[in-house]
Amino acid sequence: RKEVEQDPGPFNVPEGATVAFNCTYSNSASQSFFWYRQDCRKEPKLLMSVYSSGNEDGRFTAQLNRASQYISLLIRDSKLSDSATYLCVVTPGANNDMRFGAGTRLTVKP
Amino acid sequence: EPEVTQTPSHQVTQMGQEVILRCVPISNHLYFYWYRQILGQKVEFLVSFYNNEISEKSEIFDDQFSVERPDGSNFTLKIRSTKLEDSAMYFCAGAYGGRLSETQYFGPGTRLLVL
Repeated sequence: RKEVEQDPGPFNVPEGATVAFNCTYSNSASQSFFWYRQDCRKEPKLLMSVYSSGNEDGRFTAQLNRASQYISLLIRDSKLSDSATYLCVVTPGANNDMRFGAGTRLTVKP
Repeated sequence: EPEVTQTPSHQVTQMGQEVILRCVPISNHLYFYWYRQILGQKVEFLVSFYNNEISEKSEIFDDQFSVERPDGSNFTLKIRSTKLEDSAMYFCAGAYGGRLSETQYFGPGTRLLVL
């Protein structure tokens, strides 16, 4: 089983749509969880950390289910500028070394 | 806002040659990382570095790779004898602390092509 697994997509949605991405991780001892965003040929940029209680940042909501080893990201009212690859990231243990999923590609169309 | 910088942005080299990739982290970062991303694949952890020594490395980071912070500012990744499969984007990242929730800030990357 892959350390971090994501549906690669692509997700093609119209502006204003709500879209949800899922991610599972294999190491039950994983400590921290993040969603990063990566634009084509650019570096990953932190979108948000993910907490057990769930957290929201504007149009973005992240959820963590430790029992199921499952992370989600919900984007509401999607914008053209949301088009990117969304990377699920997990820190597997004591160090802050991050493990990335392969990413889910989102294209928001007018 | 301070940024992580990396040089060169692109490098083309012949198989078997040595390359050094350079990173200038944000000034008060203490923890440093190298990641790579082969075209079309996921970002992969290579190595983490703190207090002038390696704190963790992946199975990718074999004897051909080394890191150092020679002057307290630059953070370098050296590949001693490049192979075709080393062709990838190499990202440097830094963090203020090593706590698990600490945000890592990535540089723009160096695209390495080995011919």
